[in-house]
Amino acid sequence: NAGVTQTPKFQVLKTGQSMTLQCAQDMNHEYMSWYRQDPGMGLRLIHYSVGAGITDQGEVPNGYNVSRSTTEDFPLRLLSAAPSQTSVYFCASSYLRSGSKETQYFGPGTRLLVL
Amino acid sequence: DAKTTQPNSMESNEEEPVHLPCNHSTISGTDYIHWYRQLPSQGPEYVIHGLTSNVNNRMASLAIAEDRKSSTLILHRATLRDAAVYYCILRDITGYNFNKFYFGSGTKLNVKP
Repeated sequence: NAGVTQTPKFQVLKTGQSMTLQCAQDMNHEYMSWYRQDPGMGLRLIHYSVGAGITDQGEVPNGYNVSRSTTEDFPLRLLSAAPSQTSVYFCASSYLRSGSKETQYFGPGTRLLVL
Repeated sequence: DAKTTQPNSMESNEEEPVHLPCNHSTISGTDYIHWYRQLPSQGPEYVIHGLTSNVNNRMASLAIAEDRKSSTLILHRATLRDAAVYYCILRDITGYNFNKFYFGSGTKLNVKP
């Protein structure tokens, strides 16, 4: 299994540009999520999905859109990039079952710089 | 969102035990205690979790206070590869917030050779 993969690894954008960060997993996980991590800080939840066609907002959703058309993919869209969105973005996935045993698996991250 | 408090940083010598504390005084009865760590330039990875009893796995041990308001992650013999930021997270296993992970700032562990 490749696990959770993210592309691109690094991206530079100009203010106002749009882009999509890709995330894919091959573990048949129902749950997928996006986090951002600013320098020296912990991760903050942006959006998450509990299955194809179902998404919801996390802690910091403004400026980001998501959709989930397949189990495997969960892209994150920035419609009009702002310098405040400069961050490292992590995608994660896990099974969605009752109880606490489902750990999240994280991708390697996408480093985004908005000028 | 349930809150945890951890020291910003800790230092350890290689091959010595490390005790990483976490306070979670507002923990509810349905919150599990999870620990993740983030190695430099990588995504977080799962370390261990527990509810009430102490837990052991190949990576670490988790000691949970009797009143569950604090816990301690124990690395029995720290290695240089254990240098990372360690996050203590409360996870509500019931209801709507089940899959909302809230990361604090974590504890940055420095391991000296």
